[in-house]
Amino acid sequence: EVQLQQSGAELGKPGTSVKLSCKVSGYNIRSTYMHWVNQRPGKGLEWIGRIDPANGNTIYAEKFKSKATLTADTSSNTAYMQLSQLKSDDTAIYFCAMQRAWIIRDWGQGVMVTVSS
Amino acid sequence: DIVMTQTPSSQAVSAGEKVTMSCKSSQSLLYNENKKNYLAWYQQKPGQSPKLLIYWASTRESGVPDRFIGSGSGTDFTLTISSVQAEDLAVYYCQQYYNFPYTFGAGTKLELK
Repeated sequence: EVQLQQSGAELGKPGTSVKLSCKVSGYNIRSTYMHWVNQRPGKGLEWIGRIDPANGNTIYAEKFKSKATLTADTSSNTAYMQLSQLKSDDTAIYFCAMQRAWIIRDWGQGVMVTVSS
Repeated sequence: DIVMTQTPSSQAVSAGEKVTMSCKSSQSLLYNENKKNYLAWYQQKPGQSPKLLIYWASTRESGVPDRFIGSGSGTDFTLTISSVQAEDLAVYYCQQYYNFPYTFGAGTKLELK
């Protein structure tokens, strides 16, 4: 069974960074792509970007190019997303998700990031 | 970017009703080389992660009840629930994976009448 386990809730001050993790079990992330999606309070889903863990290649939505940095560690089967220069607008739930055969099929439980001084 | 427009934004339903919701894309999601529409539907219940229901516009994910039916091609897509159950109350999102950035619709919320 494929499982994506995300790290715990984060509270960050404006201007700082946070790094979220997403550990995958039941599937080798070298064989897939890992995506990140956010959901602001009471709002819909927003795609942030994707990483190919096999070679580190990334694609970002334009608005997240200077906000998010996606990385992956194939030895631990874990994907990461760092959010920099936090602002109140970054307060959201962040999901990692795994693509298999073109489709985003499997999702982490989500992690709440709260930006507050 | 491809804009995904879902209607209605919310819908009040009774158990046993047939429900349809629409998703329109700002450009065609049909890839002519393989005749596939790069469109997925997800269900999200409160406090939960999204769950894949339908991909390639009409292929039901394993384990998804057959009352969920995806249809459409090109720019116009529909998700039908043939007989709504109480556990189907959720927000439904369409998503295109035709090109980057992937984009989601704003969602259709199913509520109890």
